[in-house]
Amino acid sequence: SQTIHQWPATLVQPVGSPLSLECTVEGTSNPNLYWYRQAAGRGLQLLFYSVGIGQISSEVPQNLSASRPQDRQFILSSKKLLLSDSGFYLCAWSVWLREGLTGELFFGEGSRLTVL
Amino acid sequence: AQSVAQPEDQVNVAEGNPLTVKCTYSVSGNPYLFWYVQYPNRGLQFLLKYITGDNLVNGSYGFEAEFNKSQTSFHLKKPSALVSDSALYFCAVLPPSGNTPLVFGKGTRLSVIA
Repeated sequence: SQTIHQWPATLVQPVGSPLSLECTVEGTSNPNLYWYRQAAGRGLQLLFYSVGIGQISSEVPQNLSASRPQDRQFILSSKKLLLSDSGFYLCAWSVWLREGLTGELFFGEGSRLTVL
Repeated sequence: AQSVAQPEDQVNVAEGNPLTVKCTYSVSGNPYLFWYVQYPNRGLQFLLKYITGDNLVNGSYGFEAEFNKSQTSFHLKKPSALVSDSALYFCAVLPPSGNTPLVFGKGTRLSVIA
């Protein structure tokens, strides 16, 4: 079965420091991968998604970047964090019309980032 | 462009009573529809989906959802609410073309009171 791992679970970083959040998926191949941010326990904001290695679509211009160095690895980065980058970051995967799945997302457990 | 509306920010229901969390959508063609639940400080969990077929779909934890094409709605329901159902619920839509990011509603916080 498929699993998704996301780390670290919590992170407290000073303003101006770099960021790296990692996400890996097991049990499937060539998944679509996503990074979302959730502020104040409410709506989801899609930040980036990827349909393949090296293919990144950015939904919101911002202080963050994403990379997909391997098929099942997705990394969210920043060179210099801002206070406004604080939030709950969620990684997710999906496949389309394979393995009995039709685009539904499966989420990691999230990474809570606090920028001070 | 496709969109999803969850008109209620908060739904309160007494334990044992039926619950409904509302969702309406706007998309061209026949959509794929999904419900997710999020417990505090956790990722979203997939509850159920509608692709085609019966308008009433069953999902995890005793939840069900009714697809109504004429009203473009996909309301989440449960016959008897539990305190443990208290969580944040998200409706999402995928257009018929598929293989694009889901479009999520803003979420509805369900509070079940003992």
